[in-house]
Amino acid sequence: DAKTTQPNSMESNEEEPVHLPCNHSTISGTDYIHWYRQLPSQGPEYVIHGLTSNVNNRMASLAIAEDRKSSTLILHRATLRDAAVYYCILRDEDRDDKIIFGKGTRLHILP
Amino acid sequence: AAGVIQSPRHLIKEKRETATLKCYPIPRHDTVYWYQQGPGQDPQFLISFYEKMQSDKGSIPDRFSAQQFSDYHSELNMSSLELGDSALYFCASSSTTGELFFGEGSRLTVL
Repeated sequence: DAKTTQPNSMESNEEEPVHLPCNHSTISGTDYIHWYRQLPSQGPEYVIHGLTSNVNNRMASLAIAEDRKSSTLILHRATLRDAAVYYCILRDEDRDDKIIFGKGTRLHILP
Repeated sequence: AAGVIQSPRHLIKEKRETATLKCYPIPRHDTVYWYQQGPGQDPQFLISFYEKMQSDKGSIPDRFSAQQFSDYHSELNMSSLELGDSALYFCASSSTTGELFFGEGSRLTVL
């Protein structure tokens, strides 16, 4: 399975942008990059996904490196509610549909 | 909007007993996934169903079984419960868009 590497934890101040990095040097051409997050005591929540181009939605932006070996999830203005574990996941949507969670980054937001 | 419904939310069982967890996917979602999350662990994929047929299998113990019914709801049956089965069990559903929507989980405690 393709693997991702993320920092164990990060801190950010409230109302500031947050850049969460993810390395995936063994990504294959058909792997989509997905981000999910899990708030305390809740189920995982879809954030965003992309293949090659940068993506934006109401929750976040996803910046994908040109060689696709890394990506960055951008929260434009962090709030206390964004404190969660963020998972960067590769998913070959042609081959299977399940999401395999790795270790993730625990994001702390400082008031 | 309707979300994934899981029941029961909390369940306490003794060792060697059986337990059944239920999952009601979002209407018109045809794929259901089950995940197990132990204390301090990341969610682990157990099994998935597409159109009532098992579509993928992960680290699901032989003591566990699951099925998806004609109304697309799914049940996870766990027998000969062990202390190590104490965990949060998440169900997720998806449609053709590929995003997984997770329920709030069922917390199983085995005494």
